[in-house]
Amino acid sequence: KAGVTQTPRYLIKTRGQQVTLSCSPISGHRSVSWYQQTPGQGLQFLFEYFSETQRNKGNFPGRFSGRQFSNSRSEMNVSTLELGDSALYLCASRREAGANVLTFGAGSRLTVL
Amino acid sequence: AQKITQTQPGMFVQEKEAVTLDCTYDTSDPSYGLFWYKQPSSGEMIFLIYQGSYDQQNATEGRYSLNFQKARKSANLVISASQLGDSAMYFCAMREGNTGGFKTIFGAGTRLFVKA
Repeated sequence: KAGVTQTPRYLIKTRGQQVTLSCSPISGHRSVSWYQQTPGQGLQFLFEYFSETQRNKGNFPGRFSGRQFSNSRSEMNVSTLELGDSALYLCASRREAGANVLTFGAGSRLTVL
Repeated sequence: AQKITQTQPGMFVQEKEAVTLDCTYDTSDPSYGLFWYKQPSSGEMIFLIYQGSYDQQNATEGRYSLNFQKARKSANLVISASQLGDSAMYFCAMREGNTGGFKTIFGAGTRLFVKA
C-alpha cells in the first residue's frame, strides 16, 4: 500500500511569505503528526491531528498552524516566514492500535531566504 | 526537560562487527513505548524496532535488538553484523500514554559510520 506522501518535496521562500505543506497519510491511518527537523534543534514535535481535531501541540509560535480534512489528509501552514523556519518538515501517520508506530513521509525541505 | 538522551553524537564501527547505540529516557507514565528509527542521508525516517513498557522480553527484529533495562530507564539499540548500508542517523524515541492524544518525542540522534 502507498506510504505517507508529502508535497512539495522542496521549496524556497523569502522572509515574510507564507507556506502550506501537504501530507497524505497511509490509507486507514487517521492520526497525522508533524515534526520540524533542524541541525540545531533536532526533531521537534509541532502538532498531531486525529479526526480533523488537533489533539496535541508542541511549543511553536502561532505562526505555525495546521488542519486535517475528513479524508485524513493534513496541511500545515507557516505564516510570516523567518530565516529560522528553514528546516525539513516531516509528517507521520499511525494506526491507532498496537505499538502506534509512526510511519514517516519523505519530508518537505523548506528554505527561507 | 530533556526526556530522551542519546549521549553519542557519532559512532564508528567496523563492517561485520556489532555496535550498541545508547538511549536513556525519563518518564513518570507507567505506560510508554520506545522506538528506534534510522534516517539515511535521503532524509526519510525508517522504523526499526519497538519496545513496550510492559513487554517482558527484549525486542528483536532481524539484526536489530533492543536492550531494555527498565529500572535504569535505558533502551539501547544493538546492531549485529554491521553493514555499510547501516551508515545513517539513528534516533531513539518515546511515546507516552496509552490512549489517544499522546505524542512521540525524539532524542538528538547518533550518527553511525560503518567502515569497510
